[in-house]
Amino acid sequence: DSGVTQTPKHLITATGQRVTLRCSPRSGDLSVYWYQQSLDQGLQFLIQYYNGEERAKGNILERFSAQQFPDLHSELNLSSLELGDSALYFCASSGEGTTFRGASTDTQYFGPGTRLTVL
Amino acid sequence: AQTVTQSQPEMSVQEAETVTLSCTYDTSESDYYLFWYKQPPSRQMILVIRQEAYKQQNATENRFSVNFQKAAKSFSLKISDSQLGDAAMYFCAYRSPTRTPLVFGKGTRLSVIA
Repeated sequence: DSGVTQTPKHLITATGQRVTLRCSPRSGDLSVYWYQQSLDQGLQFLIQYYNGEERAKGNILERFSAQQFPDLHSELNLSSLELGDSALYFCASSGEGTTFRGASTDTQYFGPGTRLTVL
Repeated sequence: AQTVTQSQPEMSVQEAETVTLSCTYDTSESDYYLFWYKQPPSRQMILVIRQEAYKQQNATENRFSVNFQKAAKSFSLKISDSQLGDAAMYFCAYRSPTRTPLVFGKGTRLSVIA
């Protein structure tokens, strides 16, 4: 158990719909990352939040958005869903870790993922 | 941008034998971090081992060890005394030092034969 929780575990919905995926990071972790793993694909980075602020964006579609709340949990919102959005969505969190030359050495720990199926 | 390449889509190993999974990466940075994650059929992403680029000593975690060749930009994973539970997808990942996202390779599917 990594300490990162994600809900729901499975989600089945129809095209055009909107869903919200939830992530609770490990206790004390300030950074949350969202990744998408499509069938036969590697993991693609979507977006990162650090202590409530957006830190980095990856290959995230405009139909997707996210936020991190004051209690540090994060939500990923997917709207106008298409068949191609079917995937496993992972949340990962990391803490401050120790630093070397001013850079953080934290490791990302992954939640169990949410499997989204769009029919 | 950094890239990570895993050239072996699939590999197999006999139980109790040793297997090495390959990973190469491309970066212009001197400080960075490398990871191997395991994804079993449950699809959970499990950290196997990590390596800091500034450390010359190769990381080890029980039966798992790495061969880190910084000049060659190579980071292979060796699994000794392979067990049936080692069967999984293995991903190599790169991260820059400043709390940035991971960049993953496409993975190597490892089968363990009893």
